Amino acid sequence: NAGVTQTPKFQVLKTGQSMTLQCAQDMNHEYMSWYRQDPGMGLRLIHYSVGAGITDQGEVPNGYNVSRSTTEDFPLRLLSAAPSQTSVYFCASSYLPGTGQYEQYFGPGTRLTVT
Amino acid sequence: TQLLEQSPQFLSIQEGENLTVYCNSSSVFSSLQWYRQEPGEGPVLLVTVVTGGEVKKLKRLTFQFGDARKDSSLHITAAQPGDTGLYLCAGRYSGGSNYKLTFGKGTLLTVNP
Repeated sequence: NAGVTQTPKFQVLKTGQSMTLQCAQDMNHEYMSWYRQDPGMGLRLIHYSVGAGITDQGEVPNGYNVSRSTTEDFPLRLLSAAPSQTSVYFCASSYLPGTGQYEQYFGPGTRLTVT
Repeated sequence: TQLLEQSPQFLSIQEGENLTVYCNSSSVFSSLQWYRQEPGEGPVLLVTVVTGGEVKKLKRLTFQFGDARKDSSLHITAAQPGDTGLYLCAGRYSGGSNYKLTFGKGTLLTVNP
């Protein structure tokens, strides 16, 4: 049971490049989400999904796309990277159907630098 | 936008001292969670509180949920260097989504030997 995994751990992009941050969970959780963490700003929700095929915007969705084709995977796509997207990105999952438990489990994070 | 205020933002103490971190909102929570995050890692859940007035203990950590479910506190007794990290509170608001959490900005705790 690996929990929530994220790849890559570190990434450097040039302005305008695109890339996908990978996230996978093996806990059969229904809910998955992406956050970015910046100094003094806390964790801010980018996009989330309440199940396969269902996604919605969070607090700071601009410049990011997501899809949820399977329960396990929830990739985050940066369409055209900008220096303002330099941040640490965390994927999280929660809610095993039928348990009533909504605690979130986080991945180890991806540190992204856009130059 | 619902806000969750944490205080203090930074805290530097000596080993053996006690401390309290606060988490406040003007809205009512259906549940509130506390996380600890160490450098280079993701947040790790410490506790969930659900009932107004609830108190939970985790070794030297005591978590309290306000009677009105609008605030919470984390008290650490006899802090140790291993307690160093970023402490985050996160809440689900009454009437909101069961899934979505709102996070405070965190309290960065440093315990010096």
